[in-house]
Amino acid sequence: QITLKESGPTLVKPTQTLTLTCTFSGLSLTTSGVGVGWIRQPPGKALEWLALIYWDDDKRYSPSLKSRLTITKDTSKNHVVLTMTNMDPVDTATYYCAHRLPTYDDTFDIWGQGTMVTVSS
Amino acid sequence: SSELTQDPAVSVALGQTVRITCQGDSLSSYYVGWYQQKPGQAPVLVIYGKNNRPSGIPDRFSGSRSGNTASLTITGAQAEDEADYYCNSRDSSGNHVVFGGGTKLTVL
Repeated sequence: QITLKESGPTLVKPTQTLTLTCTFSGLSLTTSGVGVGWIRQPPGKALEWLALIYWDDDKRYSPSLKSRLTITKDTSKNHVVLTMTNMDPVDTATYYCAHRLPTYDDTFDIWGQGTMVTVSS
Repeated sequence: SSELTQDPAVSVALGQTVRITCQGDSLSSYYVGWYQQKPGQAPVLVIYGKNNRPSGIPDRFSGSRSGNTASLTITGAQAEDEADYYCNSRDSSGNHVVFGGGTKLTVL
C-alpha cells in the first residue's frame, strides 16, 4: 500500500524560501517508471502541477515556475523535497505530493493529504 | 492558462448520465487521468489509461477519447458524485504535466 505525506511550514513570509518534504512508503524511487510529483491548489482554485521527479533522477518543472523550483529525492530516507524560492502571497495554497502511475504517462494514482501553506508577513 | 480545457460547471439530474469533457492538442498522444475532488479532500483518481478504474471506483465511471477530446462519463449519477472533476495529461511538448481547469458537477 502506497502512502505519501507532506510536511513543512504552514506560514512563510514573502521573499522567503519554502521547503516541503514528501515522505512516502510502499514505493521505491529506484524502481523503473516510478515518480513523485508536486501539485498545488490555491483556495477555491484549480490544481496546478509544479514538479515531478522520476526514478532515474530526471526532473521536470512547470515552465511558469521553473526558475523558482527545485525537486530532489533521497531514496535512503524515502522522501522527496520541493523548494520554492521568493514566496509571494499568491503562492498561498494547499500543496500535494502524489505518486506517478508507471506506464500511464504522468497520471497520479495516490495523493498525500496535502499541506496548507500561507504566505503572509 | 491550462493547455487542457474543461467546462467550468455541469449539472445532472439524479440517476441520469453526464459527460464531462477535456480538450487539448496533446490528448491524441498521451493518456488522460481523471480526478474527483470533494471539498476539503485530496483529489482521487477515478479513471486512467484508455478506460481503467482504480480499485474501489464504481463502474458507473468510464472514460473515452476521440481525437483531442477526452470524456469522463458517469452513468446513473449519484448524489455522492457531486464534486469537482479534473483531467490531466502531458502538454504538447510531452515534457510537462498539465491539469485542466476543473469542472464542478452538481447533481440535482
